Amino acid sequence: GAGVSQSPSNKVTEKGKDVELRCDPISGHTALYWYRQSLGQGLEFLIYFQGNSAPDKSGLPSDRFSAERTGGSVSTLTIQRTQQEDSAVYLCASNPTSGGFYEQYFGPGTRLTVT
Amino acid sequence: AQRVTQPEKLLSVFKGAPVELKCNYSYSGSPELFWYVQYSRQRLQLLLRHISRESIKGFTADLNKGETSFHLKKPFAQEEDSAMYYCALYFRDFNKFYFGSGTKLNVKP
Repeated sequence: GAGVSQSPSNKVTEKGKDVELRCDPISGHTALYWYRQSLGQGLEFLIYFQGNSAPDKSGLPSDRFSAERTGGSVSTLTIQRTQQEDSAVYLCASNPTSGGFYEQYFGPGTRLTVT
Repeated sequence: AQRVTQPEKLLSVFKGAPVELKCNYSYSGSPELFWYVQYSRQRLQLLLRHISRESIKGFTADLNKGETSFHLKKPFAQEEDSAMYYCALYFRDFNKFYFGSGTKLNVKP
């Protein structure tokens, strides 16, 4: 079956521009996460959506970052007025929250380069 | 509060040597712990979960509740084991995953 997909796979943008990154989770997965992976660094949690609950935004690094999840499925991460330090790979992951055996599934990531 | 701690950012060993990647967690309930791996140019994927008590690619991990640890071990490292390894805790009370900061394993020939 289809896994988690993300688009675009690569995005090059100029400093100061806004970007939107898209995540399509696995169908039926109620939990969706965004992470950031900077060059040579580990995973940095950004935001977490769980069903209809208010999202956990505790990992967003600044108010330039926002995310939404429409209809409990597709999610968009928006970065406004991009800065060079935003350059990183942005990963999306999803997992079910019922059925008893949970595993998080990751997308391939979007590599963002801010010039 | 840091839920999952991986104290080593980088671990280098020679091929054939034993390897242990450390993971400690903080959680007072019954933890559900995982190891994820990311090989070069591949997506993050599940390596093993403690509940399955399995050995995958020669790796094992034992949950030690007394020490709140879930270290990943392999008796004889191979070059193809070189990758980024993440320990993860599923916090069932909040239906949320927490990941450690990762350890990069470099197996030298």
